[in-house]
Amino acid sequence: GNSVTQMEGPVTLSEEAFLTINCTYTATGYPSLFWYVQYPGEGLQLLLKATKADDKGSNKGFEATYRKETTSFHLEKGSVQVSDSAVYFCALILLRGKFQFGAGTQVVVTP
Amino acid sequence: NAGVTQTPKFQVLKTGQSMTLQCAQDMNHNSMYWYRQDPGMGLRLIYYSASEGTTDKGEVPNGYNVSRLNKREFSLRLESAAPSQTSVYFCASSAGTGGFEQYFGPGTRLTVT
Repeated sequence: GNSVTQMEGPVTLSEEAFLTINCTYTATGYPSLFWYVQYPGEGLQLLLKATKADDKGSNKGFEATYRKETTSFHLEKGSVQVSDSAVYFCALILLRGKFQFGAGTQVVVTP
Repeated sequence: NAGVTQTPKFQVLKTGQSMTLQCAQDMNHNSMYWYRQDPGMGLRLIYYSASEGTTDKGEVPNGYNVSRLNKREFSLRLESAAPSQTSVYFCASSAGTGGFEQYFGPGTRLTVT
């Protein structure tokens, strides 16, 4: 079946550190891949997406590359800020627009 | 620009009570979705509506019903609430079902005692 696996959190970092959140997936076909971010007390917001193999999505300093050979879509940011503290969700889109979300990874950035 | 709105923000129910969660979007989107979010489990799809007039079950539909009232509104009803339905509920919408991103509402935190 289809699934999304993310690294467990919380991930605790100091400000200006490098962030990587691993995401791997299993799916039939070649789904579009997404990263969403959820700030405390809010709904999910789209962070970036990639629709085909080797595409790189980027936004707000975050990047992720669609790797078909390793079925991965790891999220990276070179220098995190306290304001990046949030829960990050990896997701893929299934038939008829249904999303499969990972369990989420909490990121805590300390000053 | 309101986007996706949900009411209420918080609700406490006793076991067996019923309630309806409301969702509306002002982006002229065709598709709408209801999720629940539980710790360590990400978001799970309850029901969705690919277009006005259609609804389909998602991953965890038991104990819920939905109504796509019109293109803007998609409600979720709990007929007889159970403690297992304590969760945060999110409504989302998208332009269609062909790979479009989803836009989420702020959520409803429901507690069933």
